[in-house]
Amino acid sequence: AQSVAQPEDQVNVAEGNPLTVKCTYSVSGNPYLFWYVQYPNRGLQFLLKYITGDNLVKGSYGFEAEFNKSQTSFHLKKPSALVSDSALYFCAVRPSIYNQGGKLIFGQGTELSVKP
Amino acid sequence: KAGVTQTPRYLIKTRGQQVTLSCSPISGHRSVSWYQQTPGQGLQFLFEYFSETQRNKGNFPGRFSGRQFSNSRSEMNVSTLELGDSALYLCASSPQGVGREKLFFGSGTQLSVL
Repeated sequence: AQSVAQPEDQVNVAEGNPLTVKCTYSVSGNPYLFWYVQYPNRGLQFLLKYITGDNLVKGSYGFEAEFNKSQTSFHLKKPSALVSDSALYFCAVRPSIYNQGGKLIFGQGTELSVKP
Repeated sequence: KAGVTQTPRYLIKTRGQQVTLSCSPISGHRSVSWYQQTPGQGLQFLFEYFSETQRNKGNFPGRFSGRQFSNSRSEMNVSTLELGDSALYLCASSPQGVGREKLFFGSGTQLSVL
């Protein structure tokens, strides 16, 4: 079965410090991987995706993610955290079956808290 | 372009009732997906519609249904509501062609079942 795991319910970081939000996945075939962010009382916003190519993917708002096939991980990173980055972050995988379009399997989410 | 619009924003229903939620995708997007978000189960895929046809379906009971109209607007219906159906229901649309892997989400409909 295809799945996504986010091992940390919450990550606390001081403003200006680097941040990492962890994600591991289990899929058959080549994965399509995503990070989305959710602010309070809002829907999800796309941050970045990995489909193929470079293992380091750059996305919105200064975020990047590193795809590691051997460790089946796709950790989200940012060199310098901002208080405004505080939100709920979701890692997701699209099942590698033809025509799965809008179907994503999401992790449980990680609450990121950035303190001044 | 306007974003994905979901109505209503909040709904309160009682057990046994039925409810219909509406989603208007971004103009030009033909794919609409629905997700249920709860604190316990997280985000779970309900179904996806493309060109008025259900393309994918998640593992939800038959009480949950949906449809898509010729203008790509979509509705989902939940019949015989249960307390456990209380959740944030999110709709997402996606384009065809370049960028089709990216989902654009609405702000959701918060359903409370009493």
